[in-house]
Amino acid sequence: DIQMTQSPSSLSASVGDRVTITCQASQDISNYLNWYQQKPGKAPKLLIYDASNLETGVPSRFSGSGSGTDFTFTISSLQPEDIATYYCQQYDNLPPGFTFGPGTKVDIK
Amino acid sequence: QVQLQESGPGLVKPSQTLSLTCTVSGGSISSGSYYWSWIRQPAGKGLEWIGRIYTSGSTNYNPSLKSRVTISVDTSKNQFSLKLSSVTAADTAVYYCARLNSLFGYYFDYWGQGTLVTVSS
Repeated sequence: DIQMTQSPSSLSASVGDRVTITCQASQDISNYLNWYQQKPGKAPKLLIYDASNLETGVPSRFSGSGSGTDFTFTISSLQPEDIATYYCQQYDNLPPGFTFGPGTKVDIK
Repeated sequence: QVQLQESGPGLVKPSQTLSLTCTVSGGSISSGSYYWSWIRQPAGKGLEWIGRIYTSGSTNYNPSLKSRVTISVDTSKNQFSLKLSSVTAADTAVYYCARLNSLFGYYFDYWGQGTLVTVSS
């Protein structure tokens, strides 16, 4: 099974700061890596798919990069409404399966 | 706009079977390039994929739950369902249904609001 790690597990930043979260897969997953935002009491929301593609309607301050085993998620200028937990998620083909990272909780300093 | 809505009992007794249904609106569940999935999240914890189904009825399950899970689809009602047998307190979680988009990769692009299922006597 492919394992996913995320770092940091939590962070606190100021409004306007650049925020970076990393996600690492235990083996090569090509670009099958997605990022979600989850606010308290709400369902996760897709932000980035296939490592770097911005989902329709998602603000451009969100971005993703990487391939293989190492991926990065960036908020270029943190906004108060970005307070949430962010999860990476990978797709495994053999056998078909989906694994989420443990999450990164983002707070405002 | 596609919408998903979970429904089912919020309380299930230990050893019994948890049953949930997801109703899809705003689009046909039979549309190509989409699978339909269940995902759960225990309170304060991360997300766990349970399984997926295609409209043909083809399924894939999380190996850790495979022996207890059945996902089915009813295209006439635009619904798909989850059954999880022999539940224990460890199965207490918010259960989400979601659409798995396979157009370019595989990602969950629409989610239900989630429903809390508590396993307790």
